[in-house]
Amino acid sequence: AQSVTQLGSHVSVSEGALVLLRCNYSSSVPPYLFWYVQYPNQGLQLLLKYTSAATLVKGINGFEAEFKKSETSFHLTKPSAHMSDAAEYFCAVSDLNDMRFGAGTRLTVKP
Amino acid sequence: NAGVTQTPKFQVLKTGQSMTLQCAQDMNHNSMYWYRQDPGMGLRLIYYSASEGTTDKGEVPNGYNVSRLNKREFSLRLESAAPSQTSVYFCASSEARFPATNEKLFFGSGTQLSVL
Repeated sequence: AQSVTQLGSHVSVSEGALVLLRCNYSSSVPPYLFWYVQYPNQGLQLLLKYTSAATLVKGINGFEAEFKKSETSFHLTKPSAHMSDAAEYFCAVSDLNDMRFGAGTRLTVKP
Repeated sequence: NAGVTQTPKFQVLKTGQSMTLQCAQDMNHNSMYWYRQDPGMGLRLIYYSASEGTTDKGEVPNGYNVSRLNKREFSLRLESAAPSQTSVYFCASSEARFPATNEKLFFGSGTQLSVL
């Protein structure tokens, strides 16, 4: 069965600093990978997804993620954090038969 | 655009009470899902409906029932609520017919349920 591990349940960065949220997956077939963001009291929204077209995927709000097959990773990055990026971020993996979400990483942005 | 609408937003139940969570989407999507979100565990699939008239169990179906009333609506019922069902519940939909695909999910804003 496939699974997703998000390293770090809480990440805190200063405004303007690099954001790095880690996601590792296991899947027996080439996966589809997603990052979702959840703002307080809202549902999840798609940030970006990987579907094998390109290993570096650009999403909304300046986020991007790189698929590294050798490391089974799909880490999310943003060069410069904004206060508005404070939210919970979920990595998800799909093999077309099942989708699994990670436990989530709460990002705090300090002024 | 309404997207995925869930009601109610908040609910408090006593152990043993029943209730139904309602979900409707206006995007003409084929598949609909019910997830629960618990701290440190992410989202776990309770039930899904790949198309109108069909429903299937997900990862954590025990204690729940669902109904796909029509293409728009997918309800989740707790027949006899238990404290372990205290959680935030999300309804979602997607255009594809499968339970999980490379297409994105559209989520409702959630229902916060407490069972005392």
